[in-house]
Amino acid sequence: AQKITQTQPGMFVQEKEAVTLDCTYDTSDPSYGLFWYKQPSSGEMIFLIYQGSYDQQNATEGRYSLNFQKARKSANLVISASQLGDSAMYFCAAVRGTYKYIFGTGTRLKVLA
Amino acid sequence: NAGVTQTPKFQVLKTGQSMTLQCAQDMNHNSMYWYRQDPGMGLRLIYYSASEGTTDKGEVPNGYNVSRLNKREFSLRLESAAPSQTSVYFCASRESGGDSYEQYFGPGTRLTVT
Repeated sequence: AQKITQTQPGMFVQEKEAVTLDCTYDTSDPSYGLFWYKQPSSGEMIFLIYQGSYDQQNATEGRYSLNFQKARKSANLVISASQLGDSAMYFCAAVRGTYKYIFGTGTRLKVLA
Repeated sequence: NAGVTQTPKFQVLKTGQSMTLQCAQDMNHNSMYWYRQDPGMGLRLIYYSASEGTTDKGEVPNGYNVSRLNKREFSLRLESAAPSQTSVYFCASRESGGDSYEQYFGPGTRLTVT
């Protein structure tokens, strides 16, 4: 079955340090996309970063980078220079085919001052 | 641009009652989606509409119906609500074609079924 696994239910990081949130995926599709979304306590879903399965380079968006290791089927999110505002729930997701999105169960990140 | 809007924001239903959740987007996106989010479960796809006039089942369609009224609007109907449908419901939209797979989400509807 197609599945996204996030094994860290909760993480702590000190302000200004980097943190890696883990994500592994299981898909038999040859072409797929991987995402990370942030959900603050206010509840909205905020798009952070996207990686296509055929992209050769890891995606980066500001302080966010996606460490894509295709052979290991992992798509970890790296947040550099953590800020207090980064405290939120983070979801890894994948799109299979064109329309069927699947989400992981999320990792709650708490940034400590 | 309002983006993706959802109504209502909150709703309490009794078991067996029906209701329709409304979603609209003003970004001229072709595809639209309905998800539910339960504690500890992440988001699960209920139904999606690849384009106006088409709808397809997602991962958890049982107990729901959808209507793609026009390009802007995609509604989700609960015909006979059950306590298991207590959840937060998110609508999303996305451009079709090209390399963009990013979904834009609405603010969510928190539904409680007693």
